[in-house]
Amino acid sequence: EDKVVQSPLSLVVHEGDTVTLNCSYEVTNFRSLLWYKQEKKAPTFLFMLTSSGIEKKSGRLSSILDKKELFSILNITATQTGDSAIYLCAVEAGGGTYKYIFGTGTRLKVLA
Amino acid sequence: NAGVMQNPRHLVRRRGQEARLRCSPMKGHSHVYWYRQLPEEGLKFMVYLQKENIIDESGMPKERFSAEFPKEGPSILRIQQVVRGDSAAYFCASSPSRDTEAFFGQGTRLTVV
Repeated sequence: EDKVVQSPLSLVVHEGDTVTLNCSYEVTNFRSLLWYKQEKKAPTFLFMLTSSGIEKKSGRLSSILDKKELFSILNITATQTGDSAIYLCAVEAGGGTYKYIFGTGTRLKVLA
Repeated sequence: NAGVMQNPRHLVRRRGQEARLRCSPMKGHSHVYWYRQLPEEGLKFMVYLQKENIIDESGMPKERFSAEFPKEGPSILRIQQVVRGDSAAYFCASSPSRDTEAFFGQGTRLTVV
């Protein structure tokens, strides 16, 4: 069965800290891996990763995919209280369906 | 360009009633996905539709749930004879094609009393 596992489940840090969120997966017909940030509303898109070893970067956030070891990490440097959210990892499974399989998320809380 | 619009944002139904959740995709998006998020759980895929066609409904419960995406108008997720276990947040996402990321709506929070 396809699955996506995120760790840690929750994390509390102080402003300025750097955090690394992990996502491992087992899916058939892997197409892409996506990271979303979910606050008290819609998940907002962060990154889509399709190739191994190529880092995607947006401001203080960056992410990389390892298709051999079947995982991805999301890094957030110099964290701010506004980074507090649930970070969701999703893997797009192909085979004609193109649905996303989500992990349960990592709940990040950044303290001032 | 407005984002994915879902309505209502909150819906309360009594057990046995019907719930109809609406999703208007972003302009130019013909692919719609519905997900359900139970408390303390991740988003679970329900159904994938492309204008007038159901592409994949492998995540939909076999009974009481149905979805449509007509040629004109929003996509509708319909839950008949709701039960307490249907209480969840239902998210809709849309994309312009199969190969691009999906954008999510704000969700509809269904509460069954």
